[in-house]
Amino acid sequence: AQTVTQSQPEMSVQEAETVTLSCTYDTSESNYYLFWYKQPPSRQMILVIRQEAYKQQNATENRFSVNFQKAAKSFSLKISDSQLGDTAMYFCAFMTSNSGYALNFGKGTSLLVTP
Amino acid sequence: DVKVTQSSRYLVKRTGEKVFLECVQDMDHENMFWYRQDPGLGLRLIYFSYDVKMKEKGDIPEGYSVSREKKERFSLILESASTNQTSMYLCASSLSGVGYTFGSGTRLTVV
Repeated sequence: AQTVTQSQPEMSVQEAETVTLSCTYDTSESNYYLFWYKQPPSRQMILVIRQEAYKQQNATENRFSVNFQKAAKSFSLKISDSQLGDTAMYFCAFMTSNSGYALNFGKGTSLLVTP
Repeated sequence: DVKVTQSSRYLVKRTGEKVFLECVQDMDHENMFWYRQDPGLGLRLIYFSYDVKMKEKGDIPEGYSVSREKKERFSLILESASTNQTSMYLCASSLSGVGYTFGSGTRLTVV
């Protein structure tokens, strides 16, 4: 079975600071995709960043970057210069073609950005 | 702007009722999904479909069924609603591994 583990149910960071959300996964597949999604209070799921397993280079999107450690099966999200609008639930997710492209989600980390 | 539309944002139903949750996408995506979201449990896959009239069970299909008669529409059916099906339901569509587009969710309360 493929699993995604987010070990931090809640985190807090001050505005302008940097925070890292952790995620580990378990799979026997060699070809897969990893994602971070953000869900603000509006409930709309928003893609933050995406990483293909075959790419060694860590994905980056503006203030968001990942640390992808394939051997360790770790996929952490770093948010730099945190903003109040970053307050949300963050979900790590995993997908393989063998699973019909169904996303397998972690339980989420609730991030609060404080002034 | 591409969209996944869920017919209701909030829904209250009685125990034993048959409930239909509708989802429509306008992106010509082959794959469509239904997830259930509960606090502390994340999103769990109920059913998905990779083509018209095709369906696959996810991790928690018990008590649910689905229908996909047209490519753009994927319905989740609660045959006999129970209080333990009170939850947030999220629909999504995708084009292979490119990524998902989610609907805004239906918060269902079964009383």
